[in-house]
Amino acid sequence: AQTVTQSQPEMSVQEAETVTLSCTYDTSENNYYLFWYKQPPSRQMILVIRQEAYKQQNATENRFSVNFQKAAKSFSLKISDSQLGDTAMYFCAFMALLPTDKLIFGTGTRLQVFP
Amino acid sequence: GAGVSQSPSNKVTEKGKDVELRCDPISGHTALYWYRQSLGQGLEFLIYFQGNSAPDKSGLPSDRFSAERTGGSVSTLTIQRTQQEDSAVYLCASSPTSSYNEQFFGPGTRLTVL
Repeated sequence: AQTVTQSQPEMSVQEAETVTLSCTYDTSENNYYLFWYKQPPSRQMILVIRQEAYKQQNATENRFSVNFQKAAKSFSLKISDSQLGDTAMYFCAFMALLPTDKLIFGTGTRLQVFP
Repeated sequence: GAGVSQSPSNKVTEKGKDVELRCDPISGHTALYWYRQSLGQGLEFLIYFQGNSAPDKSGLPSDRFSAERTGGSVSTLTIQRTQQEDSAVYLCASSPTSSYNEQFFGPGTRLTVL
């Protein structure tokens, strides 16, 4: 069975600084997807970034980038130039394609951005 | 276009009562998922619908939980004889097909069982 571990329950960062959130996972699958979702107080889950396991190049979306280490089963999220609006819960998630493309989530990291 | 909607936004019920939670997926999305988010926990998969295929119910925690999807669109999650441990946020998500890898989430229903 796949598992996702986020070892940092809470993180804080000053506005404009850079912060890295950690995520490790366990799977025997070779083909899968990894995601970071953001959940602000509104409860709406918002996709931040995704990575296909077969791609060696790390995904980047504006201020958000990942460090994907397939052999180490590590998938960290780096947020550059942090903004107050980045304050939220961040969930790392794993998706294998078979038998069902359900998402398996970590327990989340609460990020607080201070002015 | 409109996103995934869920109703009610909040539901308070007494232990032992039945509740129904509704999800309206994005129009045209064939895949629909239910997840549960308990306090301080990550999201836990409950059930998955894809078109006319038999649903994947492997995540339902007990036989008090059931779900249906009518006409390949709206879905209802029913919890019978609610218990206090059922208190959680129930999130629904949809995606265009089962092979498409992004799921779009609704705002959730917060269920409180007294």
